Amino acid sequence: EADIYQTPRYLVIGTGKKITLECSQTMGHDKMYWYQQDPGMELHLIHYSYGVNSTEKGDLSSESTVSRIRTEHFPLTLESARPSHTSQYLCASRPPSTDTQYFGPGTRLTVL
Amino acid sequence: SQKIEQNSEALNIQEGKTATLTCNYTNYSPAYLQWYRQDPGRGPVFLLLIRENEKEKRKERLKVTFDTTLKQSLFHITASQPADSATYLCASETGANNLFFGTGTRLTVIP
Repeated sequence: EADIYQTPRYLVIGTGKKITLECSQTMGHDKMYWYQQDPGMELHLIHYSYGVNSTEKGDLSSESTVSRIRTEHFPLTLESARPSHTSQYLCASRPPSTDTQYFGPGTRLTVL
Repeated sequence: SQKIEQNSEALNIQEGKTATLTCNYTNYSPAYLQWYRQDPGRGPVFLLLIRENEKEKRKERLKVTFDTTLKQSLFHITASQPADSATYLCASETGANNLFFGTGTRLTVIP
């Protein structure tokens, strides 16, 4: 069982606020990912990282940014939240030499 | 462009029966396909991976097949139980060695 954590689990916030969604894993995995998922829809990759100081944009364009200063942490930031950012955000990591991913529980973000 | 289709949005079956979920791929030949389970409000959980040179793989009551001629993977749950009710996602690789997912099939097992 993978240990990957996301905080907060739920966040309701007003338009224009800056938010940071936290993701951490204790397994030392280099590869980490952020996905966005709307209800009933597929997961869309928005950011990924191959390791410290590596960040790449995913398939779905996103106004969010990420950083990877430490292996364990991969936070996602929205500088100015908008209602269109309302969604579930899922973080994942990938063990070396495998093709599978381990997911955190997700953060459900609602922007009013 | 690469595409994964899970044909059924929802599938209802009676407890004890075998559930069969379908994943079709188009415009590419994946090296593998993966199946995940996702419960409401939670992240996906990895279940099985099958490679293109494998016809079938099993894990307890789960079985997955890979048919490169039909461009299809089938996911079976035998002796289904209400606890198996969830959304099941098919996933495959992109050129950048990342994953992309189908929209999923929501399975409901009726007691």
